Amino acid sequence: GEEVAQTPKHLVRGEGQKAKLYCAPIKGHSYVFWYQQVLKNEFKFLISFQNENVFDETGMPKERFSAKCLPNSPCSLEIQATKLEDSAVYFCASSQSGGQGLYGYTFGSGTRLTVV
Amino acid sequence: GNSVTQMEGPVTLSEEAFLTINCTYTATGYPSLFWYVQYPGEGLQLLLKATKADDKGSNKGFEATYRKETTSFHLEKGSVQVSDSAVYFCALSSGGYNKLIFGAGTRLAVHP
Repeated sequence: GEEVAQTPKHLVRGEGQKAKLYCAPIKGHSYVFWYQQVLKNEFKFLISFQNENVFDETGMPKERFSAKCLPNSPCSLEIQATKLEDSAVYFCASSQSGGQGLYGYTFGSGTRLTVV
Repeated sequence: GNSVTQMEGPVTLSEEAFLTINCTYTATGYPSLFWYVQYPGEGLQLLLKATKADDKGSNKGFEATYRKETTSFHLEKGSVQVSDSAVYFCALSSGGYNKLIFGAGTRLAVHP
């Protein structure tokens, strides 16, 4: 399809529980990006993939966050032992090959994670 | 490092007023520049983009020109509508498939 599909739309977890978010990129898009949007609108880059390979993980909090993009499966972002500060909206984006955003980046509608 | 600075909001305008949202950037090389819009409760939509100096991106009455000499990409619209009320993000991408780097966002509220 022509949209980036993120599931679930909303997720509530108790502190210390695991959270897993999913993203199906647009078919044919080779690059996937995860962002975290916190309350004041700020977008924080987490990680990107080129197909199933990690491309840039400089934004990932390594201790509790992990992500995968496996062939023929939605990409996933997993947070082990969630903390209150993980409450945010997590956005996924995908992009075609082409370099430097020539074709733009298409964003999903996000997953709102609330940690209580 | 690469960064984007946007004017702080909120920006409050009456319908049909002229809009400018300032955006300046710092980047190595020759970045691509973007404006994204986020309506309440929704994800990001690409509004317009420019991939080289002096390019003008335009869409839905919005325009922005890539000015390398002033490292700017200001967003303009001649006559805003209530339906333009949203948060606007300036962003850049530099050096291959690097991540998008966003500004802090500017909230626009348009009143009838």
